[in-house]
Amino acid sequence: DTGVSQDPRHKITKRGQNVTFRCDPISEHNRLYWYRQTLGQGPEFLTYFQNEAQLEKSRLLSDRFSAERPKGSFSTLEIQRTEQGDSAMYLCASSHGTGTDGYTFGSGTRLTVV
Amino acid sequence: GEDVEQSLFLSVREGDSSVINCTYTDSSSTYLYWYKQEPGAGLQLLTYIFSNMDMKQDQRLTVLLNKKDKHLSLRIADTQTGDSAIYFCAEGGNQFYFGTGTSLTVIP
Repeated sequence: DTGVSQDPRHKITKRGQNVTFRCDPISEHNRLYWYRQTLGQGPEFLTYFQNEAQLEKSRLLSDRFSAERPKGSFSTLEIQRTEQGDSAMYLCASSHGTGTDGYTFGSGTRLTVV
Repeated sequence: GEDVEQSLFLSVREGDSSVINCTYTDSSSTYLYWYKQEPGAGLQLLTYIFSNMDMKQDQRLTVLLNKKDKHLSLRIADTQTGDSAIYFCAEGGNQFYFGTGTSLTVIP
């Protein structure tokens, strides 16, 4: 296993467009997390899945954001009607169980909304 | 558990020890973590400590935990230029709360 993979690495989009990001976690990890990181800040929690169930969502996850993990493996994060404030690094992580021994993060998708 | 604070910058000379400090608020956190982030990359787990421990050593890394003061520190011995990065402490359970990160610069 090569770790947590995220695609694309970079995305530039015009304001108002929809974007979708993909995350492939470590195969034996049942939990998958999405975080957002803006410049000069630490990552902020967005949502997490246990298998295919989305168990928690942050208040940061507005109605324009939706995440899925249909088969309990890869996950997608879609942002509709992007705004300039959505520009950030979107990080995916996975863990086995509750992740008490830490998460494994992907390299992230950097979104720039122009 | 949402207020995790770190100093923003630290500069040390190569070969010296670095100490990065963190204060957190959630006394119920069972584990506390240190992550490293290099430019343009994701976060790499360095080490973690269980809340009933007060020290953990892992090669050049030493974590100290003062649970009474909710203070966590990471000491890097014999700091190398490759240690230059941003270091985040984190606490939490189902979700992690991260500090703003400490940017460590190692001067050759």
